[in-house]
Amino acid sequence: GEDVEQSLFLSVREGDSSVINCTYTDSSSTYLYWYKQEPGAGLQLLTYIFSNMDMKQDQRLTVLLNKKDKHLSLRIADTQTGDSAIYFCAESNSSASKIIFGSGTRLSIRP
Amino acid sequence: GAVVSQHPSWVICKSGTSVKIECRSLDFQATTMFWYRQFPKQSLMLMATSNEGSKATYEQGVEKDKFLINHASLTLSTLTVTSAHPEDSSFYICSATKLDSYNEQFFGPGTRLTVL
Repeated sequence: GEDVEQSLFLSVREGDSSVINCTYTDSSSTYLYWYKQEPGAGLQLLTYIFSNMDMKQDQRLTVLLNKKDKHLSLRIADTQTGDSAIYFCAESNSSASKIIFGSGTRLSIRP
Repeated sequence: GAVVSQHPSWVICKSGTSVKIECRSLDFQATTMFWYRQFPKQSLMLMATSNEGSKATYEQGVEKDKFLINHASLTLSTLTVTSAHPEDSSFYICSATKLDSYNEQFFGPGTRLTVL
C-alpha cells in the first residue's frame, strides 16, 4: 500500500535554513503536500506541488520533487521561532481521493 | 476564505458514554468531509469519507457501528463515538473540500477526546 516516510525530528538554529525530507512509495501520486501543525491545532496547508513539477517556491518555502526517487523536500529559509511546529508530508493520487500522511517531522528552533 | 470549525474543541467523558463531535464549514459548501484521528506524536489516520446525503465510506479497520458519521447538510458533518472506551481517546480532526479549490482539504482545529 501507499506509504509516506519522514524523519521524526529536526533542530536548526534561528536564521538558518531548515530542510525536511520525505519519501513516498506510490508511483501514481499526483499531488504532494506539506502541512504544518502547531501544538493542539489542526493542519494548515503550507504548499503543494503537482507530480509533473520539479520545484515550487513560495516566499521562504521551496519544495523540491525528485519523482524518479520519490523524494520530496521542504526548505524553509531564514527559519524563525514561529516556524516551530510539526511538518507533515502527504500525497494523494487524485485531487478528490484520500490523502496519505507521513508521521510528521517536529522542527525545533534553537537560538 | 475556507474556514472549518469543530465543536467541542475538547471533551472528557466517562467510559461507556457516547460523544458527538461536529464539523462545520463556515464560509463554503463542502462537497466532501473527511474524519481523521491522530494519536500522540503520530500521523493522521483517515477514518472515513462522507458526502452529503449519503452513507460514509469507512477505511479498513474502522468500526462503522462505533464511529457513526452523519453528513446531514453541505456545511455540517458529525462524528459520534458510541460507547466510548479509554482506547478511543485521541485527537479527532475533520477536513472539508470545496468544488472550486481543486478539492483541497481544509482542516478543522481538531477535537481532543479523553475517555476516563
